[in-house]
Amino acid sequence: IQMTQSPSSLSASVGDRVSITCRASQGVGNDLGWYQQRPGKAPKLLIYAISRLQSGVPSRFRGSGSGTDFTLTINNLQPEDVATYYCLQDYYYPLTFGGGTNVEIK
Amino acid sequence: EVQLVESGGGLVQPGGSLRLSCAASGFSFSSSWMHWVRQAPGKGLEWVANIKPDGSEKNYVESVKGRFTISRDNARNSLYLQLNSLTAEDAAVYFCARDLGYCIGGICSSVFDYWGQGTLVTVSS
Repeated sequence: IQMTQSPSSLSASVGDRVSITCRASQGVGNDLGWYQQRPGKAPKLLIYAISRLQSGVPSRFRGSGSGTDFTLTINNLQPEDVATYYCLQDYYYPLTFGGGTNVEIK
Repeated sequence: EVQLVESGGGLVQPGGSLRLSCAASGFSFSSSWMHWVRQAPGKGLEWVANIKPDGSEKNYVESVKGRFTISRDNARNSLYLQLNSLTAEDAAVYFCARDLGYCIGGICSSVFDYWGQGTLVTVSS
């Protein structure tokens, strides 16, 4: 399964709403998650099962979508949100990540 | 507190071998699926392998099948990845990750809720 993320990078201002999309080459059911990787750090789970917020993750992160098209929305973008974001499908083996979206602050 | 600490990375020649370890603490290791994920320098994440809690089921990405072996020792709370026949394409930071264990109606998803800090594997002559 190919996971195509877009955009590959974006720049936005503090307080903005940003959206990252992930398109699967086949339907992946509910098995779609989002991970944040800050520079030099290990990835961190944000969202799983399309829209379930991991414990401790700020509510400004929201996941949505179905079938093959999914979106991670970050409301009220904060400086600490500077990171690369990856989607992951775990419906089929091998599990596959999207190519990543680099989020920067203007 | 859940902790995952990888070790065993280093410089190895093409064709060589390495054994990575992941020491787990702060949770019931013997009840958790575990995964290895890698990240080549400047590149994205790639899932490598996973293993069932009792070790009876293992899955691999195609590119490492027959060369890498995932295993675990539940008595030692440790996860391993044996890397053989290494090539330059295997050079990466290797992360171990715990599976959240999210299941609905008996169907379980692979969700990586805790990650180690990673161990770097460099393949070069």
